[in-house]
Amino acid sequence: AQTVTQSQPEMSVQEAETVTLSCTYDTSENNYYLFWYKQPPSRQMILVIRQEAYKQQNATENRFSVNFQKAAKSFSLKISDSQLGDTAMYFCALGNNNDMRFGAGTRLTVKP
Amino acid sequence: GAGVSQSPSNKVTEKGKDVELRCDPISGHTALYWYRQSLGQGLEFLIYFQGNSAPDKSGLPSDRFSAERTGGSVSTLTIQRTQQEDSAVYLCASSSRGRSYNEQFFGPGTRLTVL
Repeated sequence: AQTVTQSQPEMSVQEAETVTLSCTYDTSENNYYLFWYKQPPSRQMILVIRQEAYKQQNATENRFSVNFQKAAKSFSLKISDSQLGDTAMYFCALGNNNDMRFGAGTRLTVKP
Repeated sequence: GAGVSQSPSNKVTEKGKDVELRCDPISGHTALYWYRQSLGQGLEFLIYFQGNSAPDKSGLPSDRFSAERTGGSVSTLTIQRTQQEDSAVYLCASSSRGRSYNEQFFGPGTRLTVL
C-alpha cells in the first residue's frame, strides 16, 4: 500500500521569509510521481509543483521548489519569499499507475 | 476554457434523506475522481472513472454511496440515507488521462451538512 505522511498539521511564517513543508511517503514502486497541491480558503485545489521519481533534479516553479530525496522517501516543499496569498492548506500526493494518495495536509499561515 | 464545476456548492440535509452531488469535468478529460474531505482531514479517495472501463469503487465507505458517470462526462455521486458522519466537503477532479502522473484539476467542492 502507498502512504503519504505530512507530520506538520500547522505552520506559520512571516511574510518574505522562507518556509519548508515536510512530506514522507512509502511505496514499493520504482516509477511514481509526487505532487504538492495548494488549497486556499476558497477550497479550489490547484497544483503547485510536480516531480517525476526518475528525475534526480529537483523541480522548481518560481518561488516554489522541492527537495526530493528518493532513498529517504522524502519530498519537502520550500516556499521562498512567502506572500500573504500563500496562506492555504498544502497537500503532498503520490501517484502511481491509477492510484493517487494524499497526505493529511499542512495548514500554512503567512503573517504580515 | 471552463474548469471542473460542481453543484450545489453547499447542501444542507436532514439525517436519513438522500442527496445527489454533481460534477462536470473539463471537456475531453477521460478520468474523473471523487474525494471526500472531512474537517481538518486530508483527501479520502472515493471512486475513480476512466473512459468506458469499470469504475474503481474501492474507496466508497459503504453501500449507501454510489456514483455514475453518464456518457463519459458528467458524474453524480449519490448518498442514500445520509448520516451525520457524511458531513464533509466532496471534491471532484478530472484529468486528461487515467495515469496518476497527470495533473488532476479539482472542482470547488460541495460542502454537505447532515443535520
